[in-house]
Amino acid sequence: QQQVKQSPQSLIVQKGGISIINCAYENTAFDYFPWYQQFPGKGPALLIAIRPDVSEKKEGRFTISFNKSAKQFSLHIMDSQPGDSATYFCAATYLFSSGSARQLTFGSGTQLTVLP
Amino acid sequence: ETGVTQTPRHLVMGMTNKKSLKCEQHLGHNAMYWYKQSAKKPLELMFVYSLEERVENNSVPSRFSPECPNSSHLFLHLHTLQPEDSALYLCASSQDTIRSNYGYTFGSGTRLTVV
Repeated sequence: QQQVKQSPQSLIVQKGGISIINCAYENTAFDYFPWYQQFPGKGPALLIAIRPDVSEKKEGRFTISFNKSAKQFSLHIMDSQPGDSATYFCAATYLFSSGSARQLTFGSGTQLTVLP
Repeated sequence: ETGVTQTPRHLVMGMTNKKSLKCEQHLGHNAMYWYKQSAKKPLELMFVYSLEERVENNSVPSRFSPECPNSSHLFLHLHTLQPEDSALYLCASSQDTIRSNYGYTFGSGTRLTVV
């Protein structure tokens, strides 16, 4: 059972536009919600993350909006640039009871293409 | 480089071969992970090693065998693989405590092709 659902699967945006990717989760044990960016031939890299006690977090052109009651969160990329073209993964995670490692569950990914 | 190094970057192996993937992290993290990334599927957690525990996804076939000799090194031993095991295998590390979270750091992966 997929615990984190992500949409859309692919997204095409004009340069300067806003890219929006949505995710929904089911497990209320999740306590940290990161977004990862992956370029071809590379592993995913942490982009931005939010805790569930915060409704919004902004870092530069990237903003996470979080709705705890709806169990939904989204990534907004403002002023999208061709260099933002990559695959974006939302994720949700919780600490194992030992406190020494994390269970990280990924969404299925969104292939973003920003046209010049 | 992210501080997590995976070798080899590419591997082609026959179904009767035995090979190993290697991961090394230079970040002082205390947990290491193996993930499988297949086309059209979410990243799938295979194994977790930390100071206190080893966790494995029960759906991972026994032809995959992890080894973690110390907190900086992680191996994935492969034997009698199937073509459907062809994928990108990603290693990650993290430094987590109950009071802080630093997220995962991924390596660039090993692209495995089983012929």
